[in-house]
Amino acid sequence: AQSVTQPDIHITVSEGASLELRCNYSYGATPYLFWYVQSPGQGLQLLLKYFSGDTLVQGIKGFEAEFKRSQSSFNLRKPSVHWSDAAEYFCAVGAFGGGADGLTFGKGTHLIIQP
Amino acid sequence: DAGITQSPRHKVTETGTPVTLRCHQTENHRYMYWYRQDPGHGLRLIHYSYGVKDTDKGEVSDGYSVSRSKTEDFLLTLESATSSQTSVYFCAISDSDSSGQYEQYFGPGTRLTVT
Repeated sequence: AQSVTQPDIHITVSEGASLELRCNYSYGATPYLFWYVQSPGQGLQLLLKYFSGDTLVQGIKGFEAEFKRSQSSFNLRKPSVHWSDAAEYFCAVGAFGGGADGLTFGKGTHLIIQP
Repeated sequence: DAGITQSPRHKVTETGTPVTLRCHQTENHRYMYWYRQDPGHGLRLIHYSYGVKDTDKGEVSDGYSVSRSKTEDFLLTLESATSSQTSVYFCAISDSDSSGQYEQYFGPGTRLTVT
């Protein structure tokens, strides 16, 4: 069975500073990896995904993530955060077809932006 | 945004009563999912459906049943609600794209409180 670990429960970053959110996964085959963002009281929005190919993937809102098979990681990055980036971020892994039979989520990282 | 609605959006019920949550989609996607979100646990898959009348269990299916009699509707039933089922419930949908890959889109959620 697959699993996802997000080691940081909370992260505080100053507005304009760079951001990196960590995600480690466990899965025996080629993983399908996702990052979702959830604003307070809202549903989840897909930021980006990795299925195959280039290990550096670009997403919406200026986010990118890098897949590193040797480290079983899929860290999310942004060069300069904005106050509107404050939210909960979830990393997820899918198996068959990229998650047709459901995704396994990490517990989330709560991002706080300091002015 | 993907056409996914959930009803009700908020519900308070008493222990031991039956509860049914509804997810409705207008995208004609084959796959539909129910997740629950709890603090410190991220999202966990309850059940999913891969077609009309075709369903399967997820990680936390005990105490829940589902039905899908039409492509557009996926119902989640708590036969006898317990306080441990107080949670936020999210519906998601997906289908394969031209490369055979899947991407999940989430509804706005239903907040259920069992007293």
